[in-house]
Amino acid sequence: DTEVTQTPKHLVMGMTNKKSLKCEQHMGHRAMYWYKQKAKKPPELMFVYSYEKLSINESVPSRFSPECPNSSLLNLHLHALQPEDSALYLCASSQALGDQGYTFGSGTRLTVV
Amino acid sequence: GESVGLHLPTLSVQEGDNSIINCAYSNSASDYFIWYKQESGKGPQFIIDIRSNMDKRQGQRVTVLLNKTVKHLSLQIAATQPGDSAVYFCAETPDDMRFGAGTRLTVKP
Repeated sequence: DTEVTQTPKHLVMGMTNKKSLKCEQHMGHRAMYWYKQKAKKPPELMFVYSYEKLSINESVPSRFSPECPNSSLLNLHLHALQPEDSALYLCASSQALGDQGYTFGSGTRLTVV
Repeated sequence: GESVGLHLPTLSVQEGDNSIINCAYSNSASDYFIWYKQESGKGPQFIIDIRSNMDKRQGQRVTVLLNKTVKHLSLQIAATQPGDSAVYFCAETPDDMRFGAGTRLTVKP
């Protein structure tokens, strides 16, 4: 298995909702990443996990809460989001932090209404 | 802060021509560079990479050139095809991966 799988592919949520994005890989990668991408912009790094521990938090608002329950799974919990949080949320993994061989998922298209 | 940037936001080429996409970087500590292709509605897809101890690396129809003196990276696509139309990003790492602004490549039939 050489893929990063993200679910759901599309999500519409209200500003008072709580939802979660899921990312899964079975390549034995020990670094996992969340990126946010707005239209016509490059992906922006949000969080980095290395060996299931949060390594980097790019000053992301607390309404985004990451979780890495095991080496294959990465979640992003969403609560009280704003319409400007609507974006494509991308998950990626690599063998180790900063290592070559990053693999990206297809993303979750999030719309906050 | 330090960033990876691109010289041209858009590039339009005729099918069959060669394409060159450029990228400037400013972090002299970066030792690994990657080019990604992103099609609409999809995640970035790895194209080719290069380490800082190399000047050139070739793949299938793609070549990456690295000029460390001027901190410049380029992606050359030979015989560009309609399927090459996408946004191309360069990215750099010493530790975590940061993306440049991107160049939209449009291939005209």
